[in-house]
Amino acid sequence: QKEVEQDPGPLSVPEGAIVSLNCTYSNSAFQYFMWYRQYSRKGPELLMYTYSSGNKEDGRFTAQVDKSSKYISLFIRDSQPSDSATYLCAMTRFSGGYNKLIFGAGTRLAVHP
Amino acid sequence: ETGVTQTPRHLVMGMTNKKSLKCEQHLGHNAMYWYKQSAKKPLELMFVYNFKEQTENNSVPSRFSPECPNSSHLFLHLHTLQPEDSALYLCASSQASGGPSYEQYFGPGTRLTVT
Repeated sequence: QKEVEQDPGPLSVPEGAIVSLNCTYSNSAFQYFMWYRQYSRKGPELLMYTYSSGNKEDGRFTAQVDKSSKYISLFIRDSQPSDSATYLCAMTRFSGGYNKLIFGAGTRLAVHP
Repeated sequence: ETGVTQTPRHLVMGMTNKKSLKCEQHLGHNAMYWYKQSAKKPLELMFVYNFKEQTENNSVPSRFSPECPNSSHLFLHLHTLQPEDSALYLCASSQASGGPSYEQYFGPGTRLTVT
């Protein structure tokens, strides 16, 4: 069983839609939960991170963590064509003396005008 | 544009060639990482360097050989690769990895094709 599961998509939505991206995980030792965005031909960039269960909002983006269900989500409101990218969830666990990042496979999102 | 650069951006090599990938970070970080990204698979951590010392080798075959001469530069030396090694190789950096290394900054990657 993979430590982090993420549906690779692709997900195609019209401009203005609310997008929901999700990951599940199996290891309760994960501490930080984050979302990276990766545009085509670019490296991933950190979008948001959370530590505890609950919601964290940043503009049109909301990250949600439910530790009891081992489930995290990223919501994008009023989606724009510029949001078209691959979204990677990632989680940290302390291993070998440092915080190791474990990634999901990424969900490819296309927002069409 | 991130403060992490990688060269070359694209590389095609035969199975008997020897080549090197280069990464440079301009962020003053002390930890650097190599990841492999294959289509529809999670990023795979390959190597971690913390203050120039290798702290992680994630069971990577010996045909991949990392080198970290200082905290700003990281190399990945490649020799006798296999076609399944074709992937995007990403370099990342962060503050010292014993701390909150969740905030890793990635370079644009080198797209490697092994023929």
